[in-house]
Amino acid sequence: AQKITQTQPGMFVQEKEAVTLDCTYDTSDQSYGLFWYKQPSSGEMIFLIYQGSYDEQNATEGRYSLNFQKARKSANLVISASQLGDSAMYFCAMRPPGGGNKLTFGTGTQLKVEL
Amino acid sequence: GAVVSQHPSRVICKSGTSVKIECRSLDFQATTMFWYRQFPKQSLMLMATSNEGSKATYEQGVEKDKFLINHASLTLSTLTVTSAHPEDSSFYICSARDLEAGPPYEQYFGPGTRLTVT
Repeated sequence: AQKITQTQPGMFVQEKEAVTLDCTYDTSDQSYGLFWYKQPSSGEMIFLIYQGSYDEQNATEGRYSLNFQKARKSANLVISASQLGDSAMYFCAMRPPGGGNKLTFGTGTQLKVEL
Repeated sequence: GAVVSQHPSRVICKSGTSVKIECRSLDFQATTMFWYRQFPKQSLMLMATSNEGSKATYEQGVEKDKFLINHASLTLSTLTVTSAHPEDSSFYICSARDLEAGPPYEQYFGPGTRLTVT
């Protein structure tokens, strides 16, 4: 069974600063995918970034980067130059091997960006 | 990008009635759609996997007769909450995968439906 753990229920960051949201996972599979989604107060889930377990490079998408440490089974999201619009709930999720789409989500981290 | 719509966005119904929620992929085809449930300030919990032309696969603990899923076409899946009760009040979100998309095979999420049962 797969498990995702997000230990930070809430985080604060000042505008323009960088913030790291933690995510650890537990799986016995060698092949898997890791995702980060943003959920604003409106409710929609917005895909941010993806990391495959065999990807050698850490994924980056604009201001988002994923600090992937496979041996530690961690996939932390780094948001650089935080903006007020980044205030939202952030979920880490894992997909099992074989391209199956059954995502397992963590409990989420509520990020608030302050002036 | 791929767009998934849900209708309605909000619904209030009386206890004992049934409510149907639609999930549509607007610009792509999806053989598989997923239905999630989310309680306030909690994570998304997968309820079932909806497969076009076949029966849905329900997660353990989800009542099949209460949450009816129909995937009638490659662009439409419906979730019907039958005989709704106040404890069914929740945020329901669907997602879909584009058949023709390659890695990372991401799921595209709908905007969600907030159900309130009075």
